[in-house]
Amino acid sequence: IAGITQAPTSQILAAGRRMTLRCTQDMRHNAMYWYRQDLGLGLRLIHYSNTAGTTGKGEVPDGYSVSRANTDDFPLTLASAVPSQTSVYFCASPCTSGSRDEQFFGPGTRLTVL
Amino acid sequence: SQQGEEDPQALSIQEGENATMNCSYKTSINNLQWYRQNSGRGLVHLILIRSNEREKHSGRLRVTLDTSKKSSSLLITASRAADTASYFCAPNFGNEKLTFGTGTRLTIIP
Repeated sequence: IAGITQAPTSQILAAGRRMTLRCTQDMRHNAMYWYRQDLGLGLRLIHYSNTAGTTGKGEVPDGYSVSRANTDDFPLTLASAVPSQTSVYFCASPCTSGSRDEQFFGPGTRLTVL
Repeated sequence: SQQGEEDPQALSIQEGENATMNCSYKTSINNLQWYRQNSGRGLVHLILIRSNEREKHSGRLRVTLDTSKKSSSLLITASRAADTASYFCAPNFGNEKLTFGTGTRLTIIP
């Protein structure tokens, strides 16, 4: 069981380009989240999805969009990248079954926008 | 915004010593979770303490929760070099969407 996988591991992108960060889970969790992590700011929630077919805005949604066509995949798209979107992006998914209530994180995507 | 705030921001101790990190939050919680992040990696869940619990142990980890003070502490006993990481608390306010602070950066000096 892989848990949560993200791709690519890292990417350097020219400003103005479109970019999709991929996230896939094999745990059949309902909810999935996207965070960005910046030095001194901790993790901030970008978008979330409580179940397939639904999405919602987090703390810092501007410039990003998501879709949730199925349970396993939750791609994050930057329609026109800007340098301020340089960050490390983490996909996460909580397990809330039984007595477990923990969030699983992917390994992250390091994105640099020039 | 609702999130936990960790204190101190950074902590350096000698290997073998105990490390204590604190977390404060502002509104009622269902549970509070602690996570570890090694450099360049995703966060890993360490331990969860429910609002009706006051203390919980897992190996060398001890977590306490004081809901009256809206605070929690994470104690790592007999620290090891491998404990070097950032530690985050995540209060769960009941809507599943955990929020994270800036963490405590722990350095264990061999």
